[in-house]
Amino acid sequence: DADVTQTPRNRITKTGKRIMLECSQTKGHDRMYWYRQDPGLGLRLIYYSFDVKDINKGEISDGYSVSRQAQAKFSLSLESAIPNQTALYFCATSDGRATGELFFGEGSRLTVL
Amino acid sequence: RKEVEQDPGPFNVPEGATVAFNCTYSNSASQSFFWYRQDCRKEPKLLMSVYSSGNEDGRFTAQLNRASQYISLLIRDSKLSDSATYLCVVTNTGFQKLVFGTGTRLLVSP
Repeated sequence: DADVTQTPRNRITKTGKRIMLECSQTKGHDRMYWYRQDPGLGLRLIYYSFDVKDINKGEISDGYSVSRQAQAKFSLSLESAIPNQTALYFCATSDGRATGELFFGEGSRLTVL
Repeated sequence: RKEVEQDPGPFNVPEGATVAFNCTYSNSASQSFFWYRQDCRKEPKLLMSVYSSGNEDGRFTAQLNRASQYISLLIRDSKLSDSATYLCVVTNTGFQKLVFGTGTRLLVSP
């Protein structure tokens, strides 16, 4: 089983719908991140959390919200999806202490029509 | 100017060739540097860290030039399996902010 699990892996939805992407990890890491990846733009940080009570906006947080339900769970919500939120979304974790290594989930491909 | 810039490529090389990528960063206060590898439609995975003194891992060599603010990745004896996108990552102290480059695509052909 993957250490960082994202659900759903693929989702097609319509404009205006609410969408939640979920991420769970078994690595025991405190730090969790949500990124989106678009062709030519690379990975951009949406939100990050260094522990359950710590939530921080990344560079492109508008239109998104997150919830850190437990150390192992970090969810990303799109309250009212729009077509330019069509992208590949990655959850990642790190321990933040030994190295800067991020461990990514397999990604969630979201299409907003 | 982007914080981290990479040539998107693609770099097309034959098997056995040596290829090098550079990545420039704009924040002189950046502390740590990494190369990640991403296969098509897959998640990025850490390839190697980049140390001030340079470091080598098998066919891969990474170097840091703080004065000119760039890092490099050299791949020797390229394999077909090296075909991927290579992402440069720059972080600040405490790894609180990791900035990804857009990646350099490598295609190794027989």
